[in-house]
Amino acid sequence: KNQVEQSPQSLIILEGKNCTLQCNYTVSPFSNLRWYKQDTGRGPVSLTIMTFSENTKSNGRYTATLDADTKQSSLHITASQLSDSASYICVVSADSGGYQKVTFGTGTKLQVIP
Amino acid sequence: DGGITQSPKYLFRKEGQNVTLSCEQNLNHDAMYWYRQDPGQGLRLIYYSQIVNDFQKGDIAEGYSVSREKKESFPLTVTSAQKNPTAFYLCASSRWGTSGDPVQFFGPGTRLTVL
Repeated sequence: KNQVEQSPQSLIILEGKNCTLQCNYTVSPFSNLRWYKQDTGRGPVSLTIMTFSENTKSNGRYTATLDADTKQSSLHITASQLSDSASYICVVSADSGGYQKVTFGTGTKLQVIP
Repeated sequence: DGGITQSPKYLFRKEGQNVTLSCEQNLNHDAMYWYRQDPGQGLRLIYYSQIVNDFQKGDIAEGYSVSREKKESFPLTVTSAQKNPTAFYLCASSRWGTSGDPVQFFGPGTRLTVL
């Protein structure tokens, strides 16, 4: 059964600090991994996508890493801002022959406080 | 202003009533999806559609129905057969293809509460 687990479930950090969110997956055959940001009461927005051959990708203050051997990914947020407060969802796609079956993690709820 | 819209944002329904959630996109995407989001759980796929007049069941289709008469529209009906319909419903759209994984663009969601 394809699963995506994220940790921690929730996190509170001070504005300006860095943080790292974790994602472990058991999805096969692996196609790609994506991180989404979801503001409260809104739809998720894609931050970054990583394929099997990529081990790091940045999008502004967000840096995602992928270790396909250990099936782990992390999302590092640098110099956090109040607007970073949101849920961050790890999404892993499996190639099921014509349709990319997508498995969503339960998310990490980040709160950045002044 | 391209994007994907859902209406209404909040919806209240009495037990035993059917209700239809609207989803419209002007991104010219072939594929559209409906997800359900519950607290402490990841998004779960209800239905998806690759092209007009075709749709497939997702992981939790029981108690739901959809139609895809137009490329731009993918309404979801929550029927009285759905045992626990109170949830946040998200619609998404994407290009369709086997090369790579087209990013899914999400609407703002509809929060359905059954009274």
